[in-house]
Amino acid sequence: GENVEQHPSTLSVQEGDSAVIKCTYSDSASNYFPWYKQELGKGPQLIIDIRSNVGEKKDQRIAVTLNKTAKHFSLHITETQPEDSAVYFCAALSNSNSGYALNFGKGTSLLVTP
Amino acid sequence: ETGVTQTPRHLVMGMTNKKSLKCEQHLGHNAMYWYKQSAKKPLELMFVYSLEERVENNSVPSRFSPECPNSSHLFLHLHTLQPEDSALYLCASSPFWTSGANTGELFFGEGSRLTVL
Repeated sequence: GENVEQHPSTLSVQEGDSAVIKCTYSDSASNYFPWYKQELGKGPQLIIDIRSNVGEKKDQRIAVTLNKTAKHFSLHITETQPEDSAVYFCAALSNSNSGYALNFGKGTSLLVTP
Repeated sequence: ETGVTQTPRHLVMGMTNKKSLKCEQHLGHNAMYWYKQSAKKPLELMFVYSLEERVENNSVPSRFSPECPNSSHLFLHLHTLQPEDSALYLCASSPFWTSGANTGELFFGEGSRLTVL
């Protein structure tokens, strides 16, 4: 089945700096790659996603890049703010026994210090 | 507010107890999911229901028993659990169970924190 590796597990940056989180996946048939943000005491929430027919997608301070050949994708957050502090999960959509399923990475705990 | 509500938010139970977790979605979605979230591990998919029919069961022990009486409600019945079952149990919904038509976007509840003593 699909294996999603995520790095780093923890990341600390100063406010205003950029943060980058990287993920690799194993199933070359995967074609959808979302990123979820989980704040303390909350459930994960989708913040951005990308499909395999594009290489980059941007939404204000957040961008995601995808390299299908190398099977890796990254989340970029620019001009970080304290409210960006959370756990971020990458995921890849691949075939399961009865349909498609999202396989998640282990998460990156991002801390943005003022 | 994501439109997915889970109760209780916190639950402490002994290994011989029977309890249930409840999830309700107000989004009109057709698919509902149970995930287990443990520290430093990926989110683990436990069960998927599409139109009230179970379509995925990822080798979950029988001490976890799901129930989906309608497309808006999902339960997870718990009995004779083990301490290693302590975790955050997340419910999620999506417009469809993926079979080519779904974006894959999941809408999560805030979770039920379970502690098994």
